[in-house]
Amino acid sequence: EIVMTQSPATLSVSPGERVTLSCRASQRIASNLAWYQQKLGQAPRLLMHTVSTRANGVPAKFSGSGSGTEFTLTISSLQSEDFAIYYCQQYNSWPLTFGGGTKVEIK
Amino acid sequence: EVQLVESGGTLVQPGRSLRLSCVASGFTFDDYAMHWVRQIPGKGLEWVSGISFNGDDTAYADSVEGRFTISRDNAANSVYLEMNSLRPEDSALYYCTRGYFDWMSRSEYWGQGTLVTVSS
Repeated sequence: EIVMTQSPATLSVSPGERVTLSCRASQRIASNLAWYQQKLGQAPRLLMHTVSTRANGVPAKFSGSGSGTEFTLTISSLQSEDFAIYYCQQYNSWPLTFGGGTKVEIK
Repeated sequence: EVQLVESGGTLVQPGRSLRLSCVASGFTFDDYAMHWVRQIPGKGLEWVSGISFNGDDTAYADSVEGRFTISRDNAANSVYLEMNSLRPEDSALYYCTRGYFDWMSRSEYWGQGTLVTVSS
């Protein structure tokens, strides 16, 4: 099983700041990496797939990068609606696995 | 608009069985893989099971292998999760998700979930 490790667990940021979330895979996963956003009381929402392709309707302030085992999600100029928990997921091999999540909270 | 509506979650005793259902609409159901993902309230996400567009291929998390069975009825635009020998650790909110054309795929759309509680 591929273990996905996200860091940090919590990120305290001020509105308008730029943030970078990290996700590390225990094995190489090619480009089969997705990011999800989950707001309180809501189902997760796909943000990014194939490392850097934004899902439908996702604004350009979200960007993804990385390769092999190291990946990042960057959110430029955080707004109130961006405070949420972000999860990465590998879909390169079974079983599919998620990272533990990074909570982005208001500083 | 893609919609996924789960049902079947309830309180059930350990060792008993339960069947979850998910009805899909807003897309060509038999083009896409489908998945079940669960989440203990306040905790992270755990992928549970996936099924290919035609139902020929299935996959499971180690934690449910041999106890859970995923299936689909393309005529009814539905996917199911048969859960046997339930354990307290299976208690979670179960989400039905639409994958992509590839069987091994991200979850592009999510339902609102159905809550399963396993307790005596």
